[in-house]
Amino acid sequence: AQKVTQAQTEISVVEKEDVTLDCVYETRDTTYYLFWYKQPPSGELVFLIRRNSFDEQNEISGRYSWNFQKSTSSFNFTITASQVVDSAVYFCALSEASNTGFQKLVFGTGTRLLVSP
Amino acid sequence: DAGVTQSPTHLIKTRGQQVTLRCSPKSGHDTVSWYQQALGQGPQFIFQYYEEEERQRGNFPDRFSGHQFPNYSSELNVNALLLGDSALYLCASNPRQVRVPTEAFFGQGTRLTVV
Repeated sequence: AQKVTQAQTEISVVEKEDVTLDCVYETRDTTYYLFWYKQPPSGELVFLIRRNSFDEQNEISGRYSWNFQKSTSSFNFTITASQVVDSAVYFCALSEASNTGFQKLVFGTGTRLLVSP
Repeated sequence: DAGVTQSPTHLIKTRGQQVTLRCSPKSGHDTVSWYQQALGQGPQFIFQYYEEEERQRGNFPDRFSGHQFPNYSSELNVNALLLGDSALYLCASNPRQVRVPTEAFFGQGTRLTVV
């Protein structure tokens, strides 16, 4: 069975601080995909990134970066120089590579990030 | 492009009643999934529809049922509501693609409160 663990329930930082959100996953699949989504107070989940299990190269997108380590089954997310607008709940999710094309996301419990001015 | 739209945004129902939630997928998307998100929890997969058929189902009782229409829009029905059904119900759409999961777009959800 697939499982995603986000041990950090809530993190509070002051603007301009760097913050890392942890994600640990479990799966028996050899091919799988990892995602990060952001959920602002409005409720909709906003896609941030998708990585496949064969690509362990770290990725940077502006102030966001992701560190994927297959050896420790972790896919951590770092926000550099945090801003108040980064305040939201962040979810890590896992999906198998489906031969049928029908995917489902298995989410962690989320980490609430509070960035104060 | 309006993205994924859901209606209503909020709903209050009494235990034992039935409820129908609606979702219009993003333009060009043919697959619709429904998730239940309890307060303080991550979304839990309910089921997924493609070509008007249920293709995958999560660990939810038969009280939860759905439908997809020829225009790809979808409904989620919940019968015999329980207090524990109170949650944010999220609809997601994506274009079906074999092997590589595509980015799922989510609506803002319907907040269901059962009293």
